[in-house]
Amino acid sequence: AQKITQTQPGMFVQEKEAVTLDCTYDTSDPSYGLFWYKQPSSGEMIFLIYQGSYDQQNATEGRYSLNFQKARKSANLVISASQLGDSAMYFCAMREGLGVTGGGNKLTFGTGTQLKVEL
Amino acid sequence: DTGVSQNPRHKITKRGQNVTFRCDPISEHNRLYWYRQTLGQGPEFLTYFQNEAQLEKSRLLSDRFSAERPKGSFSTLEIQRTEQGDSAMYLCASSGPGNEQYFGPGTRLTVT
Repeated sequence: AQKITQTQPGMFVQEKEAVTLDCTYDTSDPSYGLFWYKQPSSGEMIFLIYQGSYDQQNATEGRYSLNFQKARKSANLVISASQLGDSAMYFCAMREGLGVTGGGNKLTFGTGTQLKVEL
Repeated sequence: DTGVSQNPRHKITKRGQNVTFRCDPISEHNRLYWYRQTLGQGPEFLTYFQNEAQLEKSRLLSDRFSAERPKGSFSTLEIQRTEQGDSAMYLCASSGPGNEQYFGPGTRLTVT
């Protein structure tokens, strides 16, 4: 089974509107972290936001918020007030085994969602 | 600028040649990672260092691949006897005490 599933290969949004990018995950580990990264056409992966599995509040960073629904195993990214510069590929990723000595350190990524912001 | 840097940014090589990439992490980060990304896919984990120790290797890292981090600062990734299937973007990331990994701009390898 895929550990990270992003079902939207492409999304369009109008400038200044909000958009939600979907991410579901699969793990039996009780301690894990969920991440969103942005990859513009230049190729660099830019860290956006992080949510730990034990965090009580949904994470927010400026215009980015993470809608974390633990029981549904979903971690959707919400971008408010979209800007033209938000056009990029967005990846959801997970790290398992947090807080465990010798625990996993790798990030497992989904296949990404290509977001295009239109005027 | 104190971000992660990678050199070269682009490499074109002929099949069968050896190539080496370098990654300079954020200076205070003791953890360093290598990933590979092919077209239309998310990055896939290759290997992880904590200081100079290589603590985790993916099965994707065949015998032709070797990575080092000799002094716990910069790292190199070498691919011997390159194959066309090695064509990809090779990404390096580093992290400090937090969980976030910060990525460099990547090295795009093309094997002809």
